Amino acid sequence: DIQVTQSPSSLSASVGDRVTITCRTSQSISSYLNWYQQKPGKAPRLLIYAASSLQSGVPSRFSGSGSGTDFTLAIRSLQPEDVATYFCQQSYTTPRWTFGQGTKVEI
Amino acid sequence: QVQLVQSGAEVKVPGASVKVSCKASGYTFISYGISWVRQAPGQGLEWMGWISNDNGNTNYVQKLQGRVTMTTDPSTSTAYMELKSLRSDDTAVYYCARPGRYAMDVWGQGTTVTVSS
Repeated sequence: DIQVTQSPSSLSASVGDRVTITCRTSQSISSYLNWYQQKPGKAPRLLIYAASSLQSGVPSRFSGSGSGTDFTLAIRSLQPEDVATYFCQQSYTTPRWTFGQGTKVEI
Repeated sequence: QVQLVQSGAEVKVPGASVKVSCKASGYTFISYGISWVRQAPGQGLEWMGWISNDNGNTNYVQKLQGRVTMTTDPSTSTAYMELKSLRSDDTAVYYCARPGRYAMDVWGQGTTVTVSS
């Protein structure tokens, strides 16, 4: 199975900061990497698919980049409503799509 | 609108079984499979398995093989996940999700399953 490693596990930033979260996979997955946001008590929400494509309705301050084994989620200007846990997920090994451990973002 | 609606919370004793339902609406059910994901309290997301709503093919995570069964009823656009021989570490929120071409783009609201004696 492909291992998915996310870092950091948590971070604290200020409103307006640029925030980056990294995801690394144990083997190349091309661009089959997705990012989700999960707020407490809620289901995950798809933010970015195929490494860099913004899901409909997601604010443009979110962006994704990378390919192969190294990927990044960036939040251009952190807002209070962005407090959440963020998960990456590889979708290379269909249908066995595994997740990273998550990154908790606080302000 | 496209949505997945799951059944309500369950409380079970160790050794019992639980069956969670996931009803789809707003799209052609058999054009997509359903994935199941669980999240233990304070933990991350764990992919449990997937079922094709077209032909019923399944793919389960190895650690749950033999205890989990996923089924589907296209006549009612409903998928089911049954977990047997429940243990305390099965206590979690269970989600169904629609796997699109690249990602899980629609999620159910989650079903809390508590296993306690």
